[in-house]
Amino acid sequence: DQQVKQNSPSLSVQEGRISILNCDYTNSMFDYFLWYKKYPAEGPTFLISISSIKDKNEDGRFTVFLNKSAKHLSLHIVPSQPGDSAVYFCAAKAGGGNKLTFGTGTQLKVEL
Amino acid sequence: DGGITQSPKYLFRKEGQNVTLSCEQNLNHDAMYWYRQDPGQGLRLIYYSQIVNDFQKGDIAEGYSVSREKKESFPLTVTSAQKNPTAFYLCASSIVGEQYFGPGTRLTVT
Repeated sequence: DQQVKQNSPSLSVQEGRISILNCDYTNSMFDYFLWYKKYPAEGPTFLISISSIKDKNEDGRFTVFLNKSAKHLSLHIVPSQPGDSAVYFCAAKAGGGNKLTFGTGTQLKVEL
Repeated sequence: DGGITQSPKYLFRKEGQNVTLSCEQNLNHDAMYWYRQDPGQGLRLIYYSQIVNDFQKGDIAEGYSVSREKKESFPLTVTSAQKNPTAFYLCASSIVGEQYFGPGTRLTVT
């Protein structure tokens, strides 16, 4: 039972344009959401997070939007750069614990 | 430098042998985690530990074992009972909020 879903396994975007990565979840107890970026053969690195009390969080070129009624969040990267090419994982957690549930990832390719 | 180290980067074993993957952190984090990554399946939780001398099974614990005798260390043993041990293994630690990951160990069992 996949509680966090990233339905697009890959996404290709031109340099300078906006990249939008999507994530859906089914567990209504999730109240904190995170995005990680991962290069091949390396560990994921934390990008940005959002609490369920907010609907938007921004950090430089990265913005995460949360739509609780739709159980959907998205990561916007603008402008996209070639160095953004990586796998992006959405993750969620419930309550005060630290256990994360990860999505399957979306491979982003930013082309020149 | 503060961080999480995993060793070795690449590990090769024959089928039927147990193998232990190392994970050390100097971030003073209480919680530590083990995940495996397979193509198209994201990160799946194997075991986690919220505090020294305590650990819980994750979603795919069968064929694995762990220990948490020190706050800094959380080794994972892949036993011969694990049917598909070849994977990329990731260790992480956290206090609250985000988890911080090590560089991973690629285990190949033939």
